[in-house]
Amino acid sequence: QKEVEQNSGPLSVPEGAIASLNCTYSDRVSQSFFWYRQYSGKSPELIMSIYSNGDKEDGRFTAQLNKASQYVSLLIRDSQPSDSATYLCAVKGDFNKFYFGSGTKLNVKP
Amino acid sequence: DGGITQSPKYLFRKEGQNVTLSCEQNLNHDAMYWYRQDPGQGLRLIYYSQIVNDFQKGDIAEGYSVSREKKESFPLTVTSAQKNPTAFYLCASSPWTGDNSNQPQHFGDGTRLSIL
Repeated sequence: QKEVEQNSGPLSVPEGAIASLNCTYSDRVSQSFFWYRQYSGKSPELIMSIYSNGDKEDGRFTAQLNKASQYVSLLIRDSQPSDSATYLCAVKGDFNKFYFGSGTKLNVKP
Repeated sequence: DGGITQSPKYLFRKEGQNVTLSCEQNLNHDAMYWYRQDPGQGLRLIYYSQIVNDFQKGDIAEGYSVSREKKESFPLTVTSAQKNPTAFYLCASSPWTGDNSNQPQHFGDGTRLSIL
């Protein structure tokens, strides 16, 4: 059983701070990793993809991947109240199957 | 606009009734998926399909059935055998260019199913 683990939170950060969200996965052969944001009552929306070791930046978001440690993280700089949501980590496995963590709830306090 | 359309947005099921949730995509994606999400929980895979006329069970297929007669459509039937169907149901799709494809999944807006 492939597993994706996330701290359920809630993670509370003040407005303007850096929010750090973490995810570990069990399948060493996984090659593709994704972060989705899900607002309450809504469907997940893709915010970042990462495939290679290292950092990938997109605006205020930075995804970090360490395949040796089987660890992927998402940093949100200058956090805004509108970033308050649940963040889902997803790992792509064989045969186009995706494995999701249970999500980390982020609260950004004004 | 290209996207994934799920209908209805809200659905109520009576005891002993089968209900069907619709999922249509115009993204020309090969793979389609159905997930169930319970309050405060992650996504659990019900069924997925890589190509037309073929589909595989996910982790929680019991009490559900699907069909994939067209590339664009992947309806999910929640049967009376599913005793606890109240949940948020999400349909997703992704392109597939082989196992090493880096393409993500994209989601519809979801259907919220409740028992009357």
